[in-house]
Amino acid sequence: EVQLVESGGGLVQPGRSLRLSCKTSGFTFGDYGLSWFRQAPGKGLEWLTFIRSEAYGGTTEYAASVKGRFTISRDDSEGIAYLQMNTLKPEDTAVYYCARVRCTSCSGLYDIWGQGTMVTVSS
Amino acid sequence: DIQMTQSPSSLSASVGDRVTITCQASQDIRIYLNWYQQKPGKAPKLLIYDASKLEIGVPKRFSGSRSGTDFTITISSLQPEDVATYYCQQYNSFPFTFGQGTKLEI
Repeated sequence: EVQLVESGGGLVQPGRSLRLSCKTSGFTFGDYGLSWFRQAPGKGLEWLTFIRSEAYGGTTEYAASVKGRFTISRDDSEGIAYLQMNTLKPEDTAVYYCARVRCTSCSGLYDIWGQGTMVTVSS
Repeated sequence: DIQMTQSPSSLSASVGDRVTITCQASQDIRIYLNWYQQKPGKAPKLLIYDASKLEIGVPKRFSGSRSGTDFTITISSLQPEDVATYYCQQYNSFPFTFGQGTKLEI
């Protein structure tokens, strides 16, 4: 079964850092790109970042709201993607989802999502 | 950035009704538009991709269409399990952007 499982969320003070993990299984992780999204309480979905597979250079894209503060990375040997979040702000409070693209050459079409992990930024 | 304007923001309908939700892109996104369904406390689920292609396993009562920069998702006969919030998402160019969502109730 293809599966994504996020972890690493929790309560963190403003200005601090947190690293989220997205553990994958059931497919060859290295063949696929992956994104992180978030959803603030009661709000809509926001795309945050994308990392291509190594076959497509492993390059990354970011939303302006997180560029320079958040970093996406991947460990193909472990099948894990990460989201390093620095200088967190209260407005970063949200459920964070990782999602896999639908095909190896896709970049914006997401068919498999994790269950989400909650991040609360508060003093 | 490409703005996606989704309407209505909420909608109440009856079982068996035909329901249509619209999304308008601020510029040409070709066919690169997805529709997702999200139920409370759950992750989004892909329903339609490339404006009109039905994802595997999605009931045939769901359909999508495009007219220029206007996109619609239609539920031909609303079922109780369709209660959810629906989002459009463009992936013509980065940053990928979502519509504001449509909360569908029965």
